[in-house]
Amino acid sequence: QSALTQPPSASGSPGQSVTISCTGTSSDVGNYNYVSWYQQLPGKAPKLMIYEVSKRPSGVPDRFSGSKSGNTASLTVSGLQTEDEADYYCSSYGGSNWVFGGGTKLTVL
Amino acid sequence: EVQLLESGGNLVQPGGSLTLSCAASGFTLGNYAMSWVRQAPGRGLDWVSVITGSGSGSKTFYADSVKGRFTFSRDNSKNTLILQMNGLRAEDTAMYYCARMEYYAMAVWGQGTTVIVSS
Repeated sequence: QSALTQPPSASGSPGQSVTISCTGTSSDVGNYNYVSWYQQLPGKAPKLMIYEVSKRPSGVPDRFSGSKSGNTASLTVSGLQTEDEADYYCSSYGGSNWVFGGGTKLTVL
Repeated sequence: EVQLLESGGNLVQPGGSLTLSCAASGFTLGNYAMSWVRQAPGRGLDWVSVITGSGSGSKTFYADSVKGRFTFSRDNSKNTLILQMNGLRAEDTAMYYCARMEYYAMAVWGQGTTVIVSS
């Protein structure tokens, strides 16, 4: 049950795009299309942004998109807005457990 | 409105026990798999346990770090989840969130309850 690997930080200017990677193994990310992404604002509970690799829940802007190749999943935020500044976590189903990434702090410059 | 409300967090000594509750409203708890996720101060998210829906026999699965110490159960009559935590350690100190699972993702989250394990 090792954690998924995310870069600790990412940044971009308003209007730009940024991509956050999430690397797992053939036992989790590489074996299941059950990768999800969460946004956490300071002092708040996490919010689901992407599920099943690339699907968006109702109400999540289409600026947020997800993809996967092999053991690595990615979250792309296009047209960055100041309110996108937050911590982002990936997660993957691993058979009988779930595993999270260490989180990426996204800064909008 | 779908809501989850955790309670029961407290300060407890190492080796002690604590029971967390998660009250669900706006939906029938038994129809969904539910998870507990925790977050230590200043750290990332850490999956703790899941209970499958009643239709799947309400099976439970645990992270290795809590297996044998934590027990996850559901009281469908009260629409409430219970996390019984025994043998608590300093590393169990965290905010504990319950979450409703949909499509193998944590789709709905509560606001969390704080557990501090310290002497």
